[in-house]
Amino acid sequence: DAKTTQPNSMESNEEEPVHLPCNHSTISGTDYIHWYRQLPSQGPEYVIHGLTSNVNNRMASLAIAEDRKSSTLILHRATLRDAAVYYCILRDRQAGTALIFGKGTTLSVSS
Amino acid sequence: SQTIHQWPATLVQPVGSPLSLECTVEGTSNPNLYWYRQAAGRGLQLLFYSVGIGQISSEVPQNLSASRPQDRQFILSSKKLLLSDSGFYLCAWSRPGTGSYSPLHFGNGTRLTVT
Repeated sequence: DAKTTQPNSMESNEEEPVHLPCNHSTISGTDYIHWYRQLPSQGPEYVIHGLTSNVNNRMASLAIAEDRKSSTLILHRATLRDAAVYYCILRDRQAGTALIFGKGTTLSVSS
Repeated sequence: SQTIHQWPATLVQPVGSPLSLECTVEGTSNPNLYWYRQAAGRGLQLLFYSVGIGQISSEVPQNLSASRPQDRQFILSSKKLLLSDSGFYLCAWSRPGTGSYSPLHFGNGTRLTVT
């Protein structure tokens, strides 16, 4: 899997939007961009994924650059429960390929 | 709906003792199954994955082994635990044959402490 680069940590205030960046300059045309988050003492939780177009779901939005070399996970209104480690992962199209997690971004949310 | 069960939630074992962690998935057939480990303060490390009964791929050579005796059952084992085996063990599943756009769904994990 191609490599991603994320900031080690970010801070946000409650009820403010959060933009979590991810660089993936070596992405291939068949790589999907996945985002997961891990709350303390829990397993990772799927957040969102996309290929080329921006994606929205009940948890977040994913904005993908036109050249696909970067993406941004957007939390529209951060809550204290959004404090977690956020992982940006590229996944190719091979069936059964597991996710390779990097270090992710630790998001802190203040009230 | 699909659910994943992992047990036990916590485990304290002495060095040199055997290990068996079990994971089962309900509500789907022929899932892809995965074992990950997270050492304290570190990232998630893929240990094993399986695309079918008896088919196990090992990502990291170590003191552990995995087996898939039934379609929705994945077992992580060790004959003799080492101190370095301590960590948070996570089982996950994804839909079969859907490749890169299928999310992984994780269990609640087992926190193993080897003393």
